[in-house]
Amino acid sequence: NAGVTQTPKFQVLKTGQSMTLQCAQDMNHNSMYWYRQDPGMGLRLIYYSASEGTTDKGEVPNGYNVSRLNKREFSLRLESAAPSQTSVYFCASSRTLGNQPQHFGDGTRLSIL
Amino acid sequence: DQQVKQNSPSLSVQEGRISILNCDYTNSMFDYFLWYKKYPAEGPTFLISISSIKDKNEDGRFTVFLNKSAKHLSLHIVPSQPGDSAVYFCAASWKGAQKLVFGQGTRLTINP
Repeated sequence: NAGVTQTPKFQVLKTGQSMTLQCAQDMNHNSMYWYRQDPGMGLRLIYYSASEGTTDKGEVPNGYNVSRLNKREFSLRLESAAPSQTSVYFCASSRTLGNQPQHFGDGTRLSIL
Repeated sequence: DQQVKQNSPSLSVQEGRISILNCDYTNSMFDYFLWYKKYPAEGPTFLISISSIKDKNEDGRFTVFLNKSAKHLSLHIVPSQPGDSAVYFCAASWKGAQKLVFGQGTRLTINP
């Protein structure tokens, strides 16, 4: 089983460019999440989707938008990339919100020049 | 405000010995705790969890202990193996919460 698949794995952008990070899960999970990981700061939640058709802001949503395309897919969009958005982005999914293990993809390493 | 803290950025342990990773939390609402393991260039992998109604949960070589009065949890790995070298994150949540709150991570190195 693939679990959670993220594309692309690496990307370099120039300031101001836009980009969409893709995520798909094959575990029939209801809830999906986008995190960013920065050195010394753990994982911080950007946006989440409790179920198909709903999305909500997390801890650090500014500069991002999301789309829950269907139950399997949850994309993250940077409309105008900034150097501060250089990070590793992880998508995760879980059966439901709350007290559930989340299962993570392998990440997208994004550099904004 | 860092609600989940891992105060040791790194830990080095000899192969075969016990590794103990620590985590402190401040939010009394947390009632579910998890440990994740992360290798370079991979996503975090779920290891073990514990509910606040328990004070210990065991899975093979991994045991998590929860001390609610001290707001402290720990992960014990016995015996430690070279493949255990990774970054370990603790995380916390409560029923109905929309997210896990992660600590900063501890890099564990197992020396032969």
